[in-house]
Amino acid sequence: AQRVTQPEKLLSVFKGAPVELKCNYSYSGSPELFWYVQYSRQRLQLLLRHISRESIKGFTADLNKGETSFHLKKPFAQEEDSAMYYCALSGLSGNTPLVFGKGTRLSVIA
Amino acid sequence: NAGVTQTPKFQVLKTGQSMTLQCAQDMNHEYMSWYRQDPGMGLRLIHYSVGAGITDQGEVPNGYNVSRSTTEDFPLRLLSAAPSQTSVYFCASSPGANNQPQHFGDGTRLSIL
Repeated sequence: AQRVTQPEKLLSVFKGAPVELKCNYSYSGSPELFWYVQYSRQRLQLLLRHISRESIKGFTADLNKGETSFHLKKPFAQEEDSAMYYCALSGLSGNTPLVFGKGTRLSVIA
Repeated sequence: NAGVTQTPKFQVLKTGQSMTLQCAQDMNHEYMSWYRQDPGMGLRLIHYSVGAGITDQGEVPNGYNVSRSTTEDFPLRLLSAAPSQTSVYFCASSPGANNQPQHFGDGTRLSIL
């Protein structure tokens, strides 16, 4: 069975400090991993996916198959980064449903 | 394009009542799904569909029914509402397989008294 673990419910950082949101996964096949973000009063939206290997809004995430992790990082947090972040997992074949972690609420303090 | 549209946005039901949450997308997406979002539980998959006429159960399907008679619509039915079904419900769609980026609706906030 596939599983996504986000160990932190809440993460508070000061503006300008580095941010790392942790995500670990369990999946027997080849994973496809995503980070989704939900800003206050907005719909859930895709932030980035590992296969794209791109940086969105200064965030990056690297898939580490050895540690089965897909941590989200940003070197300098901004107040507008405050939101709920969800890590999600599917399979590369496309037949596996998308499963979400429980989410981490990021609060950036001015 | 409106994207993914969910109706209603808010609803209050009494225990035992039935209700259908509507979800429609105008992007010709094959894959659609329903999630419920609860505090501390994240998003949990209820049901999903990989195309018209095909549906499958997710992690928490009990108490919910779905059908997919057209590509555009994927309604979620609560046959006999229970207080444990109080939640925010999100519908999502994607163009192809489950590993494609999902487009989400605004959600339906449902309270069961």
